[in-house]
Amino acid sequence: EAGVVQSPRYKIIEKKQPVAFWCNPISGHNTLYWYLQNLGQGPELLIRYENEEAVDDSQLPKDRFSAERLKGVDSTLKIQPAELGDSAVYLCASSQTSGTSVPNEQFFGPGTRLTVL
Amino acid sequence: KQEVTQIPAALSVPEGENLVLNCSFTDSAIYNLQWFRQDPGKGLTSLLLIQSSQREQTSGRLNASLDKSSGRSTLYIAASQPGDSATYLCAASRGSEKLVFGKGTKLTVNP
Repeated sequence: EAGVVQSPRYKIIEKKQPVAFWCNPISGHNTLYWYLQNLGQGPELLIRYENEEAVDDSQLPKDRFSAERLKGVDSTLKIQPAELGDSAVYLCASSQTSGTSVPNEQFFGPGTRLTVL
Repeated sequence: KQEVTQIPAALSVPEGENLVLNCSFTDSAIYNLQWFRQDPGKGLTSLLLIQSSQREQTSGRLNASLDKSSGRSTLYIAASQPGDSATYLCAASRGSEKLVFGKGTKLTVNP
């Protein structure tokens, strides 16, 4: 079974440039998460989707960050314009959350390491 | 607001030693406690998930326990090997809501 796929794995851009990250979750997983991980820290949630609906975007800096999950499968996270402080690892995760008996285990992709110069 | 703390921040042990990693959380109203492993430059690999109704889970040389009343979880690694060297993260969640992570414990197992 294929895991969570993310691309690109690495991205280096100049500040003020736009950047986009793509995520393909595990087949059948209806919940998709984007997390941000700074060096030496645990990941922090940016946005959570259940199917096509963004159900928690309270931590997403909406002035420069946007995300979409068309057709409830793949998702794209965009930053425009990027700032130096956005340098971090962006992780995508997915889980199957239908039914109360499902443990809602989250599975993570390899991440995209963003460097803003 | 849930806060997760992991102690110690770093641990170095000789090969073959049994060890315990600690995780504490402030809000006991959790549904799941999940342990992850992260290798340098890599994503997170799920090791064990303990549901709130459970007290422990085992996978191979790993055993994780959960005590909701005291807000603690431990990850026990038996007979450690150099390949176990990585950062171990614990995270708490309420169902499908976000995982709240600790900062991790960096483990080094010396041959």
